[in-house]
Amino acid sequence: DGGITQSPKYLFRKEGQNVTLSCEQNLNHDAMYWYRQDPGQGLRLIYYSQIVNDFQKGDIAEGYSVSREKKESFPLTVTSAQKNPTAFYLCASRKGTEETQYFGPGTRLLVL
Amino acid sequence: DAKTTQPTSMDCAEGRAANLPCNHSTISGNEYVYWYRQIHSQGPQYIIHGLKNNETNEMASLIITEDRKSSTLILPHATLRDTAVYYCIVRVLERSNDYKLSFGAGTTVTVRA
Repeated sequence: DGGITQSPKYLFRKEGQNVTLSCEQNLNHDAMYWYRQDPGQGLRLIYYSQIVNDFQKGDIAEGYSVSREKKESFPLTVTSAQKNPTAFYLCASRKGTEETQYFGPGTRLLVL
Repeated sequence: DAKTTQPTSMDCAEGRAANLPCNHSTISGNEYVYWYRQIHSQGPQYIIHGLKNNETNEMASLIITEDRKSSTLILPHATLRDTAVYYCIVRVLERSNDYKLSFGAGTTVTVRA
């Protein structure tokens, strides 16, 4: 099956700990995106990447880092600098010639 | 960026058409109107998009006014599985061929039996 996968579905982080959220796609899409969603709110863009080895900050990049070493993978690291990391994290991808973004199932991050 | 305004919530009877309005009075000529929906605790799902003309697909119809300042998403025969938050989004173009979607709070649609 083609699609976008995110893992894990739930993730727990201790205070001061870095954690990495996985996002993989086998759609051969060029662009990938990370969004954060807080309860009752819309999505806010954290980082996005148009091509391998290139990425740009979104609206709320502070406390997060990404890498794009492979076309199919775009992991997001939530660092200890992110003071309020509890949220629902969504990854999306887009084919370079098309408008539409396709979303993964999300990872819910909780701080212990 | 063109902002969108949607009602916070609306109810719809199962089997009836659901008409979801969206205002985007500051939209630019080259900006598309997108609709996504998000079922509880899932990732958003693309529904439809358009520029000037009305559009229809297997999920919904999109009606855009002639001045492009507002649009309506129509779910022709709502089912209980259509209960979700519906987002109206105007695409923002950044750099060449970069896109990002700005999600507001959306409209919470509840379909009732």
